[in-house]
Amino acid sequence: GNSVTQMEGPVTLSEEAFLTINCTYTATGYPSLFWYVQYPGEGLQLLLKATKADDKGSNKGFEATYRKETTSFHLEKGSVQVSDSAVYFCALSDGSNYQLIWGAGTKLIIKP
Amino acid sequence: GAGVSQSPSNKVTEKGKDVELRCDPISGHTALYWYRQSLGQGLEFLIYFQGNSAPDKSGLPSDRFSAERTGGSVSTLTIQRTQQEDSAVYLCASSSRWTQETQYFGPGTRLLVL
Repeated sequence: GNSVTQMEGPVTLSEEAFLTINCTYTATGYPSLFWYVQYPGEGLQLLLKATKADDKGSNKGFEATYRKETTSFHLEKGSVQVSDSAVYFCALSDGSNYQLIWGAGTKLIIKP
Repeated sequence: GAGVSQSPSNKVTEKGKDVELRCDPISGHTALYWYRQSLGQGLEFLIYFQGNSAPDKSGLPSDRFSAERTGGSVSTLTIQRTQQEDSAVYLCASSSRWTQETQYFGPGTRLLVL
């Protein structure tokens, strides 16, 4: 069946460091891929998405490229800020019923 | 409203009691989803509505869980005879028919069963 695997957290970085959070997936067909973010005390927000191979999603300085050959959708940011501290979830939709399949989430802690 | 709303935001109940959780989706969104987020874990799909019908109930963990949606809008998730393992954050999401794979989430209902 479909599944999403993302790196375990917490990930702790200093401000202005480069961020990568790995996400790989298993799916039949051509899923859409998503990153959602959950800031402390808030609900889940869509951060970015990509709907086909080689697409790059980007938002708020974050980027992720849909790599079909490596079945990956790694999240990157060149220079993180304290305000980026949150839990990040990778997810896929296989299009059959639009149910999202979720990774376990990665907690990111940015220290000043 | 501007976004998905859920009520109550917090609910504390005693084991064995029934609870009702409400979700009000974004106006005009045809699809509605319920998920459960347990402490330290990812999201677990519960049920999906397209309009008022639920083509996928595969995620409901037991027959104590049920959900309905009326008028293509508000949805209610009911948990009967609550158990301590039901304690979690229950999240609702909705999406439009044109971008159905993009789901917008409410703030959740935090349920604690004592």
